[in-house]
Amino acid sequence: TQLLEQSPQFLSIQEGENLTVYCNSSSVFSSLQWYRQEPGEGPVLLVTVVTGGEVKKLKRLTFQFGDARKDSSLHITAAQPGDTGLYLCAGEPGYSTLTFGKGTMLLVSP
Amino acid sequence: DAGVIQSPRHEVTEMGQEVTLRCKPISGHNSLFWYRQTMMRGLELLIYFNNNVPIDDSGMPEDRFSAKMPNASFSTLKIQPSEPRDSAVYFCASSGQGWGYTFGSGTRLTVV
Repeated sequence: TQLLEQSPQFLSIQEGENLTVYCNSSSVFSSLQWYRQEPGEGPVLLVTVVTGGEVKKLKRLTFQFGDARKDSSLHITAAQPGDTGLYLCAGEPGYSTLTFGKGTMLLVSP
Repeated sequence: DAGVIQSPRHEVTEMGQEVTLRCKPISGHNSLFWYRQTMMRGLELLIYFNNNVPIDDSGMPEDRFSAKMPNASFSTLKIQPSEPRDSAVYFCASSGQGWGYTFGSGTRLTVV
């Protein structure tokens, strides 16, 4: 089983703060995806990273794939209450199914 | 596009009863996945289909669980008999040629 460890498990911050969440594994992934899940809904894809060292930006969110394609980070600048949710990373070890981490629960207070 | 449609959204049933969860994937997507989400274990893959054929069912907990995909637009996950430990949120997702899965809104199952 390809295990993805996410940290921290929970994060509670004030609006306007910056934060970084991490996704780590001992295994190499052909691609890694980040999803956000809101209460009562399914996860929604934010981004896919494929190349080691790749950096992608989505407005205030910056995603990075590690050089060795074993880890990834998500950095949020100037967090807003609308960023609240469960952030999940998911890795594709080959060209098969996705393995998900348990997620980081982010709460951004006004 | 209506997205992935799951029904019912909530199901409460008594232990020992049969439960059937339903999913309509996005038209044109050729892969369909059933996941289960709990606080303790996160999202776990139960089974996935490619072009309506079950490819990997190694995540199905035991013989009480079964899944079918009779055509490209419909899949079911059945639990018979249900047990309290089956209580979880069950998600269906589909994917096409590109990256990423599209998830439904899930079915919250409570077995009492």
